[in-house]
Amino acid sequence: KQEVTQIPAALSVPEGENLVLNCSFTDSAIYNLQWFRQDPGKGLTSLLLIQSSQREQTSGRLNASLDKSSGRSTLYIAASQPGDSATYLCAVDSGNTPLVFGKGTRLSVIA
Amino acid sequence: EAGVAQSPRYKIIEKRQSVAFWCNPISGHATLYWYQQILGQGPKLLIQFQNNGVVDDSQLPKDRFSAERLKGVDSTLKIQPAKLEDSAVYLCASSGRTGGSGNTIYFGEGSWLTVV
Repeated sequence: KQEVTQIPAALSVPEGENLVLNCSFTDSAIYNLQWFRQDPGKGLTSLLLIQSSQREQTSGRLNASLDKSSGRSTLYIAASQPGDSATYLCAVDSGNTPLVFGKGTRLSVIA
Repeated sequence: EAGVAQSPRYKIIEKRQSVAFWCNPISGHATLYWYQQILGQGPKLLIQFQNNGVVDDSQLPKDRFSAERLKGVDSTLKIQPAKLEDSAVYLCASSGRTGGSGNTIYFGEGSWLTVV
């Protein structure tokens, strides 16, 4: 059974810092991994999707990496801004089972 | 392109009452999902539809939850009777024009249920 863990559960950083959010999964037989952002009172917005054959994906100040063999993914946010404050969730697609989500990392960027 | 629409956004009911949530997916998306997200947790899949057929409902508490997707477009999720532990956000999502792995999933803003 796939399990997804995100560390840390919460993170507070000053504006301008670069930061890394971590996601680990127990079963390396995955099709893809997605990073989502969730603002308070809102649904989830997909940020990046990494296929199992890829090592990383980039979008603006966001960079997500995937190391399938070790069961790890990281989301790197460069030059953080107060608008980046949200909960970030990773989710693993193993193909024939539902997406499995982590519990998320709650990020606060302080101006 | 319009996003995934859900209603109502917020609902407060007493335990043992019933409630229904409605979802309209992105036009042309074959796959529709209902997720339950309890505060502080990641979303958990309740049911997945491919067009108007059920693909996965293994985590749906079928004694009180039901869902349908008539005509393969809109969907409704019903809870009857509600329990206190059903308090959560119910997220509808849709993906791809043919469904399957590898398609980005688009979520609605959720229907927030409080059972008192």
